[in-house]
Amino acid sequence: QSVLTQPPSMSAAPGQKVTISCSGSSSNIASNYVYWYQVLPGTAPKLLFYHNSERPSGIPDRFSASKSGTSATLGITGLQTGDEADYYCAIWDSSVNAAVFGGGTQLTVL
Amino acid sequence: EVQLVESGGGLVQPGGSLRLSCVASGLTFSNNWMGWVRQAPGRGLEWVANINQGGSEKYYVDSVKGRFTISRDNAKNSLYLQMNSLRAEDTAVYYCARDYYGSGPDMDVWGQGTTVTVSS
Repeated sequence: QSVLTQPPSMSAAPGQKVTISCSGSSSNIASNYVYWYQVLPGTAPKLLFYHNSERPSGIPDRFSASKSGTSATLGITGLQTGDEADYYCAIWDSSVNAAVFGGGTQLTVL
Repeated sequence: EVQLVESGGGLVQPGGSLRLSCVASGLTFSNNWMGWVRQAPGRGLEWVANINQGGSEKYYVDSVKGRFTISRDNAKNSLYLQMNSLRAEDTAVYYCARDYYGSGPDMDVWGQGTTVTVSS
């Protein structure tokens, strides 16, 4: 059971928008940077966002991220079938000196 | 091209040991924090450990403390994970990754993964 809570699954139609939440607490999300990862089936994770909302080069601007208080959100607009993947939020938990991933959200585009 | 290549995975009995390796190319290995992340079958991502540039700082997830040791050899551009007292729950694909800012979850370059199976 992760300290970061994500919805286990979400679905949306191609072309639509989806927002994936990551809920934590004042001791984790509120006081640390949030990171987001995409894991396509059978592939290694890919960093989507670092430092709450910074996008690495090569990540399309259809993807967005934000943080407010004890929650963070990943947004994807103009959904494509290729966006079907598992999405994870993550933080560094300074109380235990370890990184923590959320439980992951399986996104289905149908 | 920046590349990380893991090796050393395999089938091991409970209580056994295994050493994973990760060779880096296309980046200045000695300048970067590095880490290991695993994914058990049908489960989510789990951060395992990371290490600073010189190897003097190491952090571990509680579930592997005292059993796993992360290390590096900058002269060989190599990262290691020595895994002892292995348990069934350690079965997973293990990825090495560059921890760009040394903040743990800031992993921007990943290997393809190596599979560890702990079973009798």
